[in-house]
Amino acid sequence: EAGVAQSPRYKIIEKRQSVAFWCNPISGHATLYWYQQILGQGPKLLIQFQNNGVVDDSQLPKDRFSAERLKGVDSTLKIQPAKLEDSAVYLCASSLLWAGAQETQYFGPGTRLLVL
Amino acid sequence: AQTVTQSQPEMSVQEAETVTLSCTYDTSESDYYLFWYKQPPSRQMILVIRQEAYKQQNATENRFSVNFQKAAKSFSLKISDSQLGDAAMYFCAYRSARVLPNTDKLIFGTGTRLQVFP
Repeated sequence: EAGVAQSPRYKIIEKRQSVAFWCNPISGHATLYWYQQILGQGPKLLIQFQNNGVVDDSQLPKDRFSAERLKGVDSTLKIQPAKLEDSAVYLCASSLLWAGAQETQYFGPGTRLLVL
Repeated sequence: AQTVTQSQPEMSVQEAETVTLSCTYDTSESDYYLFWYKQPPSRQMILVIRQEAYKQQNATENRFSVNFQKAAKSFSLKISDSQLGDAAMYFCAYRSARVLPNTDKLIFGTGTRLQVFP
């Protein structure tokens, strides 16, 4: 079974530029998560989708971050404009079901973003 | 709000020896899940072991086992017969068991970097 795919793996941009990350979850997984992992910290949830609907985006900085999951499969996460503090690894994860089910979250390799 | 604390930024172990990684958490909930994830240098996070809070028996997965102390809110990971491939960042994580749309996110600790020496 193919795992969670993410691209690009690395991205370097200057502050105030825009950037987009792509995630393809495991086939058939209804739930998709975007986590932000700042160096020296554990991952923190940015947004969670159930199919193509947003379940939790309480920690997403909505003034600059946006995400979508069209057709309930692939997802993109965008930052516009980027700030220095956005430098982090952006992890995408997916799970078959959600909430209360004993479902494992499977993670992709992540996209490492450096904002100069 | 729930929090997860890993007080050991780095640990090291000799190959074939045993090492224990510590994790404490804070929650007012009675039902939840606890996890240990491994993140090798390639950055892909892999589930090592999971514990359901309602189960008294400690989870085990081959060389990996946990010591779950619910009253003390402690959840340590023991790696037996350590191998070079065990070298990685290890994250302890919490997840609520409430059946609500916005409660199944993982709450992570800051991680422990494990080095394994030959």
